[in-house]
Amino acid sequence: QLQLQESGPGLVKPSETLSLTCTVSGVSITTTNDYWGWIRQPPGKGLEWIGSIHYNGNTRYNPSVMSRVTVSVDTSKDQFSLRLSSVTAADTAVYYCARVWRGATTWFDPWGQGTLVSVSS
Amino acid sequence: EIVMTQSPATLSVSPGERATLSCRASQRVGSNLAWYQQKPGQAPRLLISGASTRATGIPARFSGSGSGTEFTLTISSLQSEDFAVYYCQQYNNWPGTFGQGTKVEIK
Repeated sequence: QLQLQESGPGLVKPSETLSLTCTVSGVSITTTNDYWGWIRQPPGKGLEWIGSIHYNGNTRYNPSVMSRVTVSVDTSKDQFSLRLSSVTAADTAVYYCARVWRGATTWFDPWGQGTLVSVSS
Repeated sequence: EIVMTQSPATLSVSPGERATLSCRASQRVGSNLAWYQQKPGQAPRLLISGASTRATGIPARFSGSGSGTEFTLTISSLQSEDFAVYYCQQYNNWPGTFGQGTKVEIK
């Protein structure tokens, strides 16, 4: 059964870089032609798609964060990662990773449980 | 960017009753629409993709309809476990965008 699990620091200082990793289990990233994505949800608010990556390294990013975001993949570990630079309080959110079906910009299933990242000094 | 507008913001329904949730897109998105359910403290769960195709394991009481700019999620007979927030998401245009959610609460 495919499962995803986010990991990384829960607290990041303003202007620093947020780094999270998503570990995929139950399937190898390289055996599927799907993408793998990051979505975030500020406390009490809605969902925002951040970006997606294919195991071959192809990426797509949301223009709202494109200048600050990098998504990378480590196929040897079945992991993909998110880096978001120059964070502010507005980047405080629960960050989810998910499988993106049949392309870089489609629907998400399943999702990881999510990890709360707070930006504060 | 396509704006997704969900209505109502909150829907009060008694168990066993029918719930109808609406989602409107600011531009036509064909049938490229998904619905998710999110319970407190949990990740969203995919219910519907392609506007009307139920995801694996989703009960038949959940149904989706619509195309273009107007979409509907119907829960035919609400069970206790269905009280949650529901989000629609278009994936016709980059970036995919979500609605602000409809909270289905117990009446």
